[in-house]
Amino acid sequence: KAGVTQTPRYLIKTRGQQVTLSCSPISGHRSVSWYQQTPGQGLQFLFEYFSETQRNKGNFPGRFSGRQFSNSRSEMNVSTLELGDSALYLCASSLAGFTYEQYFGPGTRLTVT
Amino acid sequence: GQQVMQIPQYQHVQEGEDFTTYCNSSTTLSNIQWYKQRPGGHPVFLIQLVKSGEVKKQKRLTFQFGEAKKNSSLHITATQTTDVGTYFCAGDGETSGSRLTFGEGTQLTVNP
Repeated sequence: KAGVTQTPRYLIKTRGQQVTLSCSPISGHRSVSWYQQTPGQGLQFLFEYFSETQRNKGNFPGRFSGRQFSNSRSEMNVSTLELGDSALYLCASSLAGFTYEQYFGPGTRLTVT
Repeated sequence: GQQVMQIPQYQHVQEGEDFTTYCNSSTTLSNIQWYKQRPGGHPVFLIQLVKSGEVKKQKRLTFQFGEAKKNSSLHITATQTTDVGTYFCAGDGETSGSRLTFGEGTQLTVNP
């Protein structure tokens, strides 16, 4: 079956702009999580969605938000971009949450200039 | 909040040598998962451990979960160049409100 897809794969934005990233989970998976990966901070948990509801949230400012649609596809939005937001943003899908293995997408590489 | 620490941060080995990475959590975990990320790639699930003292093997890889469910290790026997990558542990805390906290990872390089 098809894996997790993320679009776009690469993005260059300017400070102050906003960006929306998209994630399509594996068919049948209801949980989608988002992570920020940077060389210095590793993989940081942003939030998890399950059946269109945000179930858990990491320690990120309110500029980072997300949502999940009825078909389990998820979007992540970052407003008022800062240079420090440059990172690889990964989404992961699983059947029902963190007691199940996570399938990661290829990520979106965001560069903020 | 829950913290997961992983050591070493880097490990360079000659092909054929063994490799071990260790993972320690500040809180008790309900389960621990291990992932491998190749250079330029994304994390790929390797295994999940749930039971106290559990040991699982996958060919040359051996995974252990500590008796107190606060630490874990991954051991690779006779490394090969295909083992190159960063190995992450990720813990789901029993009281963390259900989130997966990743260790910083151990970057393994294997010299042929």
